[in-house]
Amino acid sequence: DVKVTQSSRYLVKRTGEKVFLECVQDMDHENMFWYRQDPGLGLRLIYFSYDVKMKEKGDIPEGYSVSREKKERFSLILESASTNQTSMYLCASTPGALNTEAFFGQGTRLTVV
Amino acid sequence: ILNVEQSPQSLHVQEGDSTNFTCSFPSSNFYALHWYRWETAKSPEALFVMTLNGDEKKKGRISATLNTKEGYSYLYIKGSQPEDSATYLCAHNAGNNRKLIWGLGTSLAVNP
Repeated sequence: DVKVTQSSRYLVKRTGEKVFLECVQDMDHENMFWYRQDPGLGLRLIYFSYDVKMKEKGDIPEGYSVSREKKERFSLILESASTNQTSMYLCASTPGALNTEAFFGQGTRLTVV
Repeated sequence: ILNVEQSPQSLHVQEGDSTNFTCSFPSSNFYALHWYRWETAKSPEALFVMTLNGDEKKKGRISATLNTKEGYSYLYIKGSQPEDSATYLCAHNAGNNRKLIWGLGTSLAVNP
């Protein structure tokens, strides 16, 4: 079974802290995605990557950066956490083409205080 | 951004009822339409990925149809059970990029 693992289930950070959210997939998928999910707003794409060291901005990249140094790992970085980044963060991966299903991690609920 | 719309936003049914939801998407540049079930405290899980106009897929009591020419997909649940309670998401890919565009979901509650 494909497994997508996010490093933390729950996280509480202070305003201004640098925050790293890690995601690892074990099926050699090319594409990896970071989403945030907020009530009433659905899944919003922050960044995605289709290859090692490649990244593309999603719909809401402001305040975030990403890193993909290895194919299996995609990190989301909050350079200076703010309270409006309190959210559920979901990582997902897919093989090359998007006519196959996406696999999701368990989510990280981040609270910035 | 291409919009994906789902209706209804939420639904309450009794155990044993059959129900259906709609996903509307732009009919131009269609590549794939995905359906996912997202249960509380779990990860979204894929139900179907559909690519061909007229496609019908089935998994147990859940089935889906696809009309790419008019830009809609229906998800049907036959004989709803309490364990079907979840948010059902659809997502569209237009094929010209690697992004999925997500609807806001339909929240289903099945009362025993």
